Amino acid sequence: QKEVEQNSGPLSVPEGAIASLNCTYSDRGSQSFFWYRQYSGKSPELIMSIYSNGDKEDGRFTAQLNKASQYVSLLIRDSQPSDSATYLCAVNDYKLSFGAGTTVTVRA
Amino acid sequence: DTAVSQTPKYLVTQMGNDKSIKCEQNLGHDTMYWYKQDSKKFLKIMFSYNNKELIINETVPNRFSPKSPDKAHLNLHINSLELGDSAVYFCASSQRQDPLNEQFFGPGTRLTVL
Repeated sequence: QKEVEQNSGPLSVPEGAIASLNCTYSDRGSQSFFWYRQYSGKSPELIMSIYSNGDKEDGRFTAQLNKASQYVSLLIRDSQPSDSATYLCAVNDYKLSFGAGTTVTVRA
Repeated sequence: DTAVSQTPKYLVTQMGNDKSIKCEQNLGHDTMYWYKQDSKKFLKIMFSYNNKELIINETVPNRFSPKSPDKAHLNLHINSLELGDSAVYFCASSQRQDPLNEQFFGPGTRLTVL
């Protein structure tokens, strides 16, 4: 069983729409959760971290965590073409365990 | 100023050769990591060092040998390269060995084994 699973992509959204990315994890004791963005040919870049149940907002990004359901999500509001990238969900238990990533394409 | 740097950026070599990848961080972090990203873009931890001490070894073949001369450097030496070693290798660092700490990634080294 994979430790971190993400909804399969690719995800194509029109410019200005909301992109919704989902992630589940297997270890109920996990404490910290991250969303990384990776442009093609580049390294992962942290865009959100979340540690407590509920929502966390940062600009156009909102991360949601539900530990009871072992579920993390990322919403990208007012999607821009520059948001086109692969988004990686990661669970940090002294090492980062990544999901397979969801590729998002924002259509102009 | 580059926070986490890796050399070389690209490495093309023949099967059976031995090669090294170097990583340096100037963030003053205690913990460094090596990750491998395969052709399907799946990113997986290989090793972690905390203050020059190996703390995570994710059942990586012993052809891979990390070395940390000091806490700012973590190198990866690979012996007897195989076709399946072709991947992008990322170095990362975090302030401490703490799940709440963000990890910062280097630019990656694309290794191609022919």
